[in-house]
Amino acid sequence: DIVMTQSPDSLAVSLGERATINCKSSQSVLYSSNSENYLAWYQQQPGQPPKLLIYWASTRESGVPDRFSGSGSGTDFTLTISSLQAEDVAVYYCQQYYSTPYTFGQGTKLEIK
Amino acid sequence: EVQLLESGGGLVQPGGSLRLSCAASGFTFSSYAMSWVRQAPGKGLEWVSGIYGSGDSTYNADSVKGRFTISRDNSKNTLFLQMNSLRAEDTAIYYCAKDPRGSMQGYFDYWGQGALVTVSS
Repeated sequence: DIVMTQSPDSLAVSLGERATINCKSSQSVLYSSNSENYLAWYQQQPGQPPKLLIYWASTRESGVPDRFSGSGSGTDFTLTISSLQAEDVAVYYCQQYYSTPYTFGQGTKLEIK
Repeated sequence: EVQLLESGGGLVQPGGSLRLSCAASGFTFSSYAMSWVRQAPGKGLEWVSGIYGSGDSTYNADSVKGRFTISRDNSKNTLFLQMNSLRAEDTAIYYCAKDPRGSMQGYFDYWGQGALVTVSS
């Protein structure tokens, strides 16, 4: 199984500042035949189901604000929130879909400083 | 508007069985793969099972293999998870999640609100 490890486990950022969450996979999730990284990011607000933010490592889902961006390739990925808003308080998860079983990172809790 | 509504959760004794359902609407159900993803109380996300839009192929996590069975009724736009030989560690919120492709791309663009399953004596 591919193990996904996020850092940090929790993060406190001031409103309007940048938040950065890292995700590392135990093996590459870059599929050579199509040069795509099989990596997604989700946001889970308290008491809610997860919401898809990013797929293919850097493609923003429709309706997701452009302050959210994803980057990285191979085994190392980053989710960046360029200017933190109050509604961004949530737990963020990365997920690989390169192979089954699909696996998630342990989550990063983002709070307001 | 895509809607996924889970039902069938509840309290069950260890060793017991439960069947979850997920009623789908707002999209052509048979054209998309579906999965179940669970979340133990206060914990992270764990993919459990997936099924192609056609229902021809299914995949399961090792933790539930031989105990859980995913299926679908495309005529009724409904996804199922039959859970047998339940253990305390199966206690979780079970989410129904839609895949953006018919043959399991593997990420999930819509999620239901979840059904709580509690395994306890």
